[in-house]
Amino acid sequence: TQLLEQSPQFLSIQEGENLTVYCNSSSVFSSLQWYRQEPGEGPVLLVTVVTGGEVKKLKRLTFQFGDARKDSSLHITAAQPGDTGLYLCAGAAIGDYKLSFGAGTTVTVRA
Amino acid sequence: GAGVSQSPSNKVTEKGKDVELRCDPISGHTALYWYRQSLGQGLEFLIYFQGNSAPDKSGLPSDRFSAERTGGSVSTLTIQRTQQEDSAVYLCASSLRDKNYGYTFGSGTRLTVV
Repeated sequence: TQLLEQSPQFLSIQEGENLTVYCNSSSVFSSLQWYRQEPGEGPVLLVTVVTGGEVKKLKRLTFQFGDARKDSSLHITAAQPGDTGLYLCAGAAIGDYKLSFGAGTTVTVRA
Repeated sequence: GAGVSQSPSNKVTEKGKDVELRCDPISGHTALYWYRQSLGQGLEFLIYFQGNSAPDKSGLPSDRFSAERTGGSVSTLTIQRTQQEDSAVYLCASSLRDKNYGYTFGSGTRLTVV
Protein backbone atom coordinates (compact mmCIF):
# COMPACT_ATOMS: atom_id res chain seq x y z
CA THR A 1 0.00 0.00 0.00
CA GLN A 2 1.38 3.35 -1.12
CA LEU A 3 1.42 6.13 1.44
CA LEU A 4 0.98 8.57 -1.44
CA GLU A 5 -1.43 7.81 -4.27
CA GLN A 6 -0.85 9.55 -7.59
CA SER A 7 -3.34 9.92 -10.41
CA PRO A 8 -3.54 9.43 -13.23
CA GLN A 9 -0.85 6.80 -13.76
CA PHE A 10 -0.41 7.79 -17.41
CA LEU A 11 -1.23 11.00 -19.27
CA SER A 12 -0.74 11.68 -22.96
CA ILE A 13 -1.63 15.09 -24.35
CA GLN A 14 -0.98 17.30 -27.33
CA GLU A 15 1.46 20.19 -27.18
CA GLY A 16 -0.28 23.33 -25.95
CA GLU A 17 -2.85 21.54 -23.78
CA ASN A 18 -3.03 21.80 -20.00
CA LEU A 19 -2.72 18.94 -17.54
CA THR A 20 -3.08 18.28 -13.83
CA VAL A 21 -1.51 15.53 -11.75
CA TYR A 22 -2.81 14.67 -8.30
CA CYS A 23 -1.14 13.32 -5.18
CA ASN A 24 -3.33 12.16 -2.29
CA SER A 25 -2.87 10.59 1.11
CA SER A 26 -4.71 9.94 4.35
CA SER A 27 -1.62 11.11 6.25
CA VAL A 28 -0.61 14.65 7.14
CA PHE A 29 2.75 15.79 5.80
CA SER A 30 5.16 18.35 7.19
CA SER A 31 6.17 19.10 3.62
CA LEU A 32 5.63 17.69 0.18
CA GLN A 33 7.94 17.70 -2.80
CA TRP A 34 7.57 17.15 -6.54
CA TYR A 35 10.27 15.59 -8.69
CA ARG A 36 10.58 14.94 -12.40
CA GLN A 37 12.51 11.96 -13.72
CA GLU A 38 13.69 11.36 -17.28
CA PRO A 39 14.73 7.93 -18.62
CA GLY A 40 18.14 6.82 -17.36
CA GLU A 41 18.37 9.64 -14.84
CA GLY A 42 17.54 10.14 -11.20
CA PRO A 43 14.59 12.28 -10.10
CA VAL A 44 15.20 16.04 -10.03
CA LEU A 45 13.55 18.21 -7.40
CA LEU A 46 11.07 20.73 -8.83
CA VAL A 47 9.54 22.27 -5.70
CA THR A 48 8.93 21.89 -1.98
CA VAL A 49 5.67 23.06 -0.41
CA VAL A 50 5.42 23.36 3.36
CA THR A 51 2.36 25.44 4.29
CA GLY A 52 -1.24 24.23 3.98
CA GLY A 53 -2.94 26.05 1.09
CA GLU A 54 0.39 27.15 -0.37
CA VAL A 55 0.61 27.76 -4.11
CA LYS A 56 3.96 27.93 -5.88
CA LYS A 57 4.58 28.76 -9.51
CA LEU A 58 7.58 27.73 -11.55
CA LYS A 59 7.17 29.18 -15.06
CA ARG A 60 4.29 27.13 -16.56
CA LEU A 61 4.08 24.77 -13.57
CA THR A 62 1.77 25.51 -10.62
CA PHE A 63 1.97 23.48 -7.43
CA GLN A 64 -0.64 23.49 -4.70
CA PHE A 65 -0.55 22.01 -1.21
CA GLY A 66 -3.92 21.13 0.29
CA ASP A 67 -5.21 23.07 3.29
CA ALA A 68 -5.02 19.94 5.46
CA ARG A 69 -1.54 19.09 4.12
CA LYS A 70 -2.69 15.67 2.93
CA ASP A 71 -2.72 16.26 -0.80
CA SER A 72 -1.12 18.22 -3.59
CA SER A 73 -1.52 18.92 -7.27
CA LEU A 74 0.74 19.85 -10.14
CA HIS A 75 -0.75 21.81 -13.03
CA ILE A 76 1.11 22.43 -16.28
CA THR A 77 -0.14 25.15 -18.61
CA ALA A 78 0.47 24.95 -22.35
CA ALA A 79 2.50 21.75 -22.10
CA GLN A 80 5.56 21.32 -24.29
CA PRO A 81 7.38 18.14 -25.42
CA GLY A 82 10.15 19.05 -22.97
CA ASP A 83 7.67 18.49 -20.12
CA THR A 84 7.59 14.78 -20.94
CA GLY A 85 8.74 12.64 -18.02
CA LEU A 86 7.78 10.78 -14.86
CA TYR A 87 6.42 13.11 -12.19
CA LEU A 88 6.79 11.93 -8.60
CA CYS A 89 5.37 13.39 -5.45
CA ALA A 90 7.13 12.71 -2.16
CA GLY A 91 6.44 13.53 1.44
CA ALA A 92 7.41 12.71 4.96
CA ALA A 93 4.74 12.11 7.53
CA ILE A 94 4.96 14.22 10.67
CA GLY A 95 7.82 12.89 12.78
CA ASP A 96 9.38 10.87 9.97
CA TYR A 97 12.71 11.94 8.55
CA LYS A 98 12.69 10.14 5.21
CA LEU A 99 10.58 10.71 2.14
CA SER A 100 7.96 8.31 0.85
CA PHE A 101 7.31 8.48 -2.87
CA GLY A 102 4.20 8.00 -4.94
CA ALA A 103 4.30 5.54 -7.85
CA GLY A 104 4.47 8.45 -10.30
CA THR A 105 2.59 9.82 -13.28
CA THR A 106 4.09 9.30 -16.72
CA VAL A 107 3.40 12.38 -18.82
CA THR A 108 3.87 12.34 -22.58
CA VAL A 109 3.47 15.56 -24.55
CA ARG A 110 3.12 14.99 -28.28
CA ALA A 111 4.43 17.60 -30.70
CA GLY B 1 31.79 16.79 -6.82
CA ALA B 2 29.01 18.85 -8.34
CA GLY B 3 26.44 16.09 -8.10
CA VAL B 4 25.80 12.65 -6.68
CA SER B 5 27.86 10.06 -8.49
CA GLN B 6 26.90 6.38 -8.69
CA SER B 7 28.84 3.49 -10.12
CA PRO B 8 28.54 1.33 -12.03
CA SER B 9 25.72 2.75 -14.14
CA ASN B 10 24.78 -0.74 -15.29
CA LYS B 11 25.51 -4.13 -13.77
CA VAL B 12 24.54 -7.55 -15.09
CA THR B 13 25.26 -10.38 -12.71
CA GLU B 14 24.49 -14.05 -12.43
CA LYS B 15 22.04 -15.27 -9.83
CA GLY B 16 23.86 -16.13 -6.62
CA LYS B 17 26.74 -13.70 -7.10
CA ASP B 18 27.46 -10.75 -4.80
CA VAL B 19 27.40 -7.16 -6.07
CA GLU B 20 28.60 -3.84 -4.70
CA LEU B 21 27.06 -0.52 -5.69
CA ARG B 22 28.83 2.73 -4.91
CA CYS B 23 27.54 6.20 -4.15
CA ASP B 24 29.60 9.37 -3.85
CA PRO B 25 27.36 12.11 -2.39
CA ILE B 26 27.65 15.87 -2.68
CA SER B 27 30.41 17.17 -0.44
CA GLY B 28 28.98 18.56 2.79
CA HIS B 29 25.68 16.68 2.56
CA THR B 30 25.24 14.87 5.85
CA ALA B 31 22.21 12.78 4.88
CA LEU B 32 22.47 9.89 2.41
CA TYR B 33 19.65 7.63 1.25
CA TRP B 34 19.36 4.49 -0.86
CA TYR B 35 16.14 3.74 -2.72
CA ARG B 36 15.15 1.02 -5.16
CA GLN B 37 12.96 1.65 -8.19
CA SER B 38 11.27 -1.19 -10.02
CA LEU B 39 9.32 -0.86 -13.26
CA GLY B 40 5.92 0.63 -12.57
CA GLN B 41 6.67 1.03 -8.87
CA GLY B 42 7.49 4.04 -6.80
CA LEU B 43 10.77 4.48 -5.06
CA GLU B 44 11.19 1.98 -2.25
CA PHE B 45 13.23 3.20 0.73
CA LEU B 46 16.16 0.98 1.68
CA ILE B 47 18.49 2.72 4.13
CA TYR B 48 19.30 6.17 5.55
CA PHE B 49 22.55 7.56 6.93
CA GLN B 50 22.73 10.83 8.87
CA GLY B 51 26.12 12.05 10.00
CA ASN B 52 27.65 9.79 12.61
CA SER B 53 24.32 8.42 13.83
CA ALA B 54 23.40 4.75 13.53
CA PRO B 55 21.81 4.17 10.12
CA ASP B 56 18.12 3.44 9.67
CA LYS B 57 18.13 0.02 8.01
CA SER B 58 14.38 -0.54 8.31
CA GLY B 59 13.82 -0.65 4.55
CA LEU B 60 16.34 -3.36 3.69
CA PRO B 61 14.27 -6.23 2.23
CA SER B 62 16.40 -9.09 3.57
CA ASP B 63 19.64 -9.86 5.37
CA ARG B 64 21.30 -10.29 1.98
CA PHE B 65 21.33 -6.49 1.75
CA SER B 66 23.79 -4.35 3.69
CA ALA B 67 25.25 -0.88 3.37
CA GLU B 68 27.96 1.18 4.92
CA ARG B 69 29.10 4.76 4.75
CA THR B 70 32.76 5.43 5.33
CA GLY B 71 34.03 8.71 6.78
CA GLY B 72 30.61 10.28 6.43
CA SER B 73 31.02 10.36 2.66
CA VAL B 74 31.09 7.46 0.20
CA SER B 75 28.51 4.71 0.65
CA THR B 76 28.47 1.15 -0.61
CA LEU B 77 25.36 -1.01 -0.94
CA THR B 78 26.13 -4.73 -1.02
CA ILE B 79 23.74 -7.43 -2.15
CA GLN B 80 24.84 -10.97 -1.41
CA ARG B 81 23.64 -14.07 -3.27
CA THR B 82 21.64 -12.00 -5.74
CA GLN B 83 18.19 -13.16 -6.83
CA GLN B 84 16.21 -12.25 -9.93
CA GLU B 85 13.78 -10.20 -7.85
CA ASP B 86 16.72 -7.93 -6.92
CA SER B 87 16.73 -6.60 -10.50
CA ALA B 88 15.89 -2.89 -10.31
CA VAL B 89 17.41 0.57 -10.49
CA TYR B 90 19.18 1.45 -7.25
CA LEU B 91 19.16 5.18 -6.58
CA CYS B 92 21.30 7.05 -4.12
CA ALA B 93 20.43 10.55 -2.90
CA SER B 94 22.03 13.02 -0.56
CA SER B 95 20.61 15.99 1.28
CA LEU B 96 22.13 18.95 3.07
CA ARG B 97 20.58 17.96 6.38
CA ASP B 98 17.28 16.17 6.07
CA LYS B 99 14.20 15.63 3.95
CA ASN B 100 13.07 19.26 4.14
CA TYR B 101 16.05 20.35 2.05
CA GLY B 102 15.10 18.07 -0.81
CA TYR B 103 17.10 15.23 -2.23
CA THR B 104 19.73 15.32 -4.95
CA PHE B 105 19.73 11.97 -6.72
CA GLY B 106 22.40 10.20 -8.65
CA SER B 107 21.61 8.64 -12.03
CA GLY B 108 21.27 5.22 -10.46
CA THR B 109 22.70 1.76 -11.02
CA ARG B 110 20.57 -0.53 -13.16
CA LEU B 111 21.04 -4.03 -11.77
CA THR B 112 20.00 -7.04 -13.83
CA VAL B 113 20.25 -10.50 -12.30
CA VAL B 114 20.19 -13.29 -14.89
